[in-house]
Amino acid sequence: GAVVSQHPSWVICKSGTSVKIECRSLDFQATTMFWYRQFPKQSLMLMATSNEGSKATYEQGVEKDKFLINHASLTLSTLTVTSAHPEDSSFYICSAFLAGENTGELFFGEGSRLTVL
Amino acid sequence: AQSVAQPEDQVNVAEGNPLTVKCTYSVSGNPYLFWYVQYPNRGLQFLLKYITGDNLVKGSYGFEAEFNKSQTSFHLKKPSALVSDSALYFCAVRRGSGNNRLAFGKGNQVVVIP
Repeated sequence: GAVVSQHPSWVICKSGTSVKIECRSLDFQATTMFWYRQFPKQSLMLMATSNEGSKATYEQGVEKDKFLINHASLTLSTLTVTSAHPEDSSFYICSAFLAGENTGELFFGEGSRLTVL
Repeated sequence: AQSVAQPEDQVNVAEGNPLTVKCTYSVSGNPYLFWYVQYPNRGLQFLLKYITGDNLVKGSYGFEAEFNKSQTSFHLKKPSALVSDSALYFCAVRRGSGNNRLAFGKGNQVVVIP
């Protein structure tokens, strides 16, 4: 099956610093990737849709200047949490569809746990 | 907009007993329905999907789900639960055409008691 890799799995940073999370589709091309945020014991909250070669589409209430998304190639999307604060601590998960596949399931990365001190 | 309801927060079941996790959905047009499982501090793993065809769908790890159009439901079932099935289960739906964004339910914590 298709594999999506996220890096890093865990990251701890100081308040005010920026953190970059990478999402890679290892064995397929993904024109569209999705970034989710998950709070403890809660569902996934869609943050943005990342489109290869164009600007990301952000969900209402998500600050695009806070959460920078870049999808520069068909296999890589990055999420940068800028000037992180403790309230940004969360579990961030990316996912992707197979390019050209309209009926298939989303493939998820393993998630990245961000802790801001 | 599409939405999913998973009415129970937690499902407790004894090992070896049947497991059912409930899901109802709301979507305009034909639904594409999915079940995912999440283990602690991990991403989501795909279990099964309904796109079209037979209403009973069989998936990974012995799970199955039945699409019921009249009740707008897609309950997940397993005939005999294992302790290793203890995890968080998410139901998801999207429209069958165009929009490929998934709407997730809140999730159900399944606890299988040895």
